[in-house]
Amino acid sequence: GAVVSQHPSRVICKSGTSVKIECRSLDFQATTMFWYRQFPKKSLMLMATSNEGSKATYEQGVEKDKFLINHASLTLSTLTVTSAHPEDSSFYICSARPQTGYEQYFGPGTRLTVT
Amino acid sequence: DAKTTQPPSMDCAEGRAANLPCNHSTISGNEYVYWYRQIHSQGPQYIIHGLKNNETNEMASLIITEDRKSSTLILPHATLRDTAVYYCIVRVLFSGGGADGLTFGKGTHLIIQP
Repeated sequence: GAVVSQHPSRVICKSGTSVKIECRSLDFQATTMFWYRQFPKKSLMLMATSNEGSKATYEQGVEKDKFLINHASLTLSTLTVTSAHPEDSSFYICSARPQTGYEQYFGPGTRLTVT
Repeated sequence: DAKTTQPPSMDCAEGRAANLPCNHSTISGNEYVYWYRQIHSQGPQYIIHGLKNNETNEMASLIITEDRKSSTLILPHATLRDTAVYYCIVRVLFSGGGADGLTFGKGTHLIIQP
């Protein structure tokens, strides 16, 4: 149980385009989902917290207009990287917390490469 | 969340117990000790958590000192697949207000040697 999926697992896009990453909780409903970013050889950094049906809360230094988050249902949150640039190339990981319980379950991550 | 200190890397022989230490001297009374691990290019995996009592599950054991200022994660019979970065995180169970994202330190890179 408590499986979280992400799609796509890898994506390569050209500079200036937008990329959407999906995060789904497969066997539970998640009131809250979290988005993290990880640069090579670095630790995970929390980008934003997303609650179903409300606006996401962004961490300091994360541009909300660049990283659009939508959490339209209890099983799906999306992260859209708008006007991507090479410096946005990173490993993006989501996690989901069930409606009942305190744990966070992580997705497998999405490797974004912007050329 | 309280800060944690972990050694940057450790080696362990396959089949032996891997003991990963974590210092959290500023832990508060309502903060739990959590352990996650991240295998290369994958998302983090929850391992175990505890408040003050020792805990054991199918993956590992968690030993927390009586003063709660440090803890040790024990993988009883390490295999090559246990090679990963192990993160020790201290946090309240649920802070509310949406502030429940995890703060990851640098972790310990555990390398299991054949």
